[in-house]
Parts: sequence; C-alpha cells; structure tokens
Amino acid sequence: DAGVIQSPRHEVTEMGQEVTLRCKPISGHDYLFWYRQTMMRGLELLIYFNNNVPIDDSGMPEDRFSAKMPNASFSTLKIQPSEPRDSAVYFCASSLEGSGNTIYFGEGSWLTVV
Amino acid sequence: SQQGEEDPQALSIQEGENATMNCSYKTSINNLQWYRQNSGRGLVHLILIRSNEREKHSGRLRVTLDTSKKSSSLLITASRAADTASYFCASTGNQFYFGTGTSLTVIP
Repeated sequence: DAGVIQSPRHEVTEMGQEVTLRCKPISGHDYLFWYRQTMMRGLELLIYFNNNVPIDDSGMPEDRFSAKMPNASFSTLKIQPSEPRDSAVYFCASSLEGSGNTIYFGEGSWLTVV
Repeated sequence: SQQGEEDPQALSIQEGENATMNCSYKTSINNLQWYRQNSGRGLVHLILIRSNEREKHSGRLRVTLDTSKKSSSLLITASRAADTASYFCASTGNQFYFGTGTSLTVIP
C-alpha cells in the first residue's frame, strides 16, 4: 500500500489567500484525521471522520478552517482566508477500527503563510 | 495539550544507554500507543498496549501502563544513534489525542 498521501508537501502563500490541503487515506481505512503540528502547541487534533462523517471537529481553530470528506478515498482541509499564525505542518492520518486504531500518518503538508 | 504530557521534554544519552520516557494522559482509554517522529517526517507507530495490559515488549522497546495513575512509560534499551527522534504517546479508541512528545538525542 502507498500509505497516506498528502499534497502539497510544501506551500508558501500570502496572507488572505485560500489554502487547500488534500489527503488520500489508506484504502479500507474507516477513520481519517487531520492534525496540526507547531513548536508552540505540539500536535493538535483538528478533526476526524469515521466512514466519511465528521465526528469531532472541536479542535478546528475557527470558522476559517473547514474540512470535507466527500468519499472514502479523499479529504480536504481548507483555510480561508489564511493568516500567518496558520503556518504549521498539517498531517493527515488514517486508521482502521478493530486494529486498535493504529494511526498511519502522511508525510505532512508544510504551510507557510507570509 | 489536548491529551497530556510526556516527561521529560528532552533527553540526551550516550549510545548504548537506556532511555525512559513517561506519558500521562487525562481520560480513560481503550489503548495507549507510542509513536516516533524523525525530523521532518510523519509519525510512525511503534507499539500498542491495551487498557487491560500492564506491560508489553517489542524488540528493544518495553512499554508499561498504569491505568490507575493514567500513565505509561516507554523504555528503549541499548540505544543507538538512529533512535534519535521525538517520541509521542497517544490514547486511541474513543479519542485520538497525542501528548507533547519527548525529544530524544542519542550521542554516538
């Protein structure tokens, strides 16, 4: 299996622009997670889906952030408008219930907002 | 953090020594897992211990779990320079939060 695939790997954008991060989970996995990692706040769970349905979005910082999972093989995390404080590494991850929910991470999308 | 804390935040040891990292969590758990993150990479699963287990081994890794204290420890024996990374604990099942991580440096 190719693992969790994220794109883009790196993005530099100007403040106010829309940012869309994409994720393809491991085939057959029924959970999908979006995490954000910064030096100051560590690894934060933003939102997770189970069978394409958002279950917990309490970690989404504010209305500028939105996430969708239109099907089992694709998810997006959108920031609109972006701000410099959104600069971080955004990880997508997936897991399969019944396996202890071992979480498999992508390599991350490194976002810099200037 | 959303979940809890790892202790220490940073650890530096000589190659061949043992490294012990501790994790405290806030809520009841189904499983407790440990992950490793090399610089610039995603997290990689190391070992899972279920809430009804107290100790588990995998190669040079030993994990203990004390649900009464809501704590876990990860021991890496005979450390190698390649073990240099950050290590995180996570509770999974009902929640999926990670701790703050321990940065381990193994000096050759």
